[in-house]
Amino acid sequence: KNEVEQSPQNLTAQEGEFITINCSYSVGISALHWLQQHPGGGIVSLFMLSSGKKKHGRLIATINIQEKHSSLHITASHPRDSAVYICAVKMDSSYKLIFGSGTRLLVRP
Amino acid sequence: NAGVTQTPKFQVLKTGQSMTLQCAQDMNHEYMSWYRQDPGMGLRLIHYSVGAGITDQGEVPNGYNVSRSTTEDFPLRLLSAAPSQTSVYFCASSYRGQGTYGYTFGSGTRLTVV
Repeated sequence: KNEVEQSPQNLTAQEGEFITINCSYSVGISALHWLQQHPGGGIVSLFMLSSGKKKHGRLIATINIQEKHSSLHITASHPRDSAVYICAVKMDSSYKLIFGSGTRLLVRP
Repeated sequence: NAGVTQTPKFQVLKTGQSMTLQCAQDMNHEYMSWYRQDPGMGLRLIHYSVGAGITDQGEVPNGYNVSRSTTEDFPLRLLSAAPSQTSVYFCASSYRGQGTYGYTFGSGTRLTVV
């Protein structure tokens, strides 16, 4: 079993829909990262969370440390949101990141 | 612009050739790392460094060497390229120490070994 599991693996939405991507992990962490990767592109850090909730524009990230679960929400989705979204956790007492396998999002106009 | 710079962006190698992927950062980050990204798999850690002169192996180190002679640079060397090393390679850096810090990723190097 992977230490970081994301769901769904693939997601297709219509423009304007509310989108949720989930991430569950099985190890003790000091922080959780949400990353975005456009096709053929580099990796951009969206959020770093250690508790609670963060919001940036139409993106919202939440984390429940007790349940070892995080969600990334996109409100009023747009075709430019089409990308792979990756969850990564930083373990306690380590600098290393453990990555989920990513969620491929396609937003149709 | 501040950030992580990777070169080259694309490279084709023949089996058995050697090459070095360059990674440089100008943010004075102590922690630097190399990952490979393969279809259907999460990024996997190859090697990492927590400071100049200190390196350690990650999850998939075989066939790769690293060195960290300065804080800024963390090159990844392929000793004798194999088709299994065809992948996209990312370098990332972060501050070290107490607290949690974000990671900055380079734009990636797409390597094909034929």
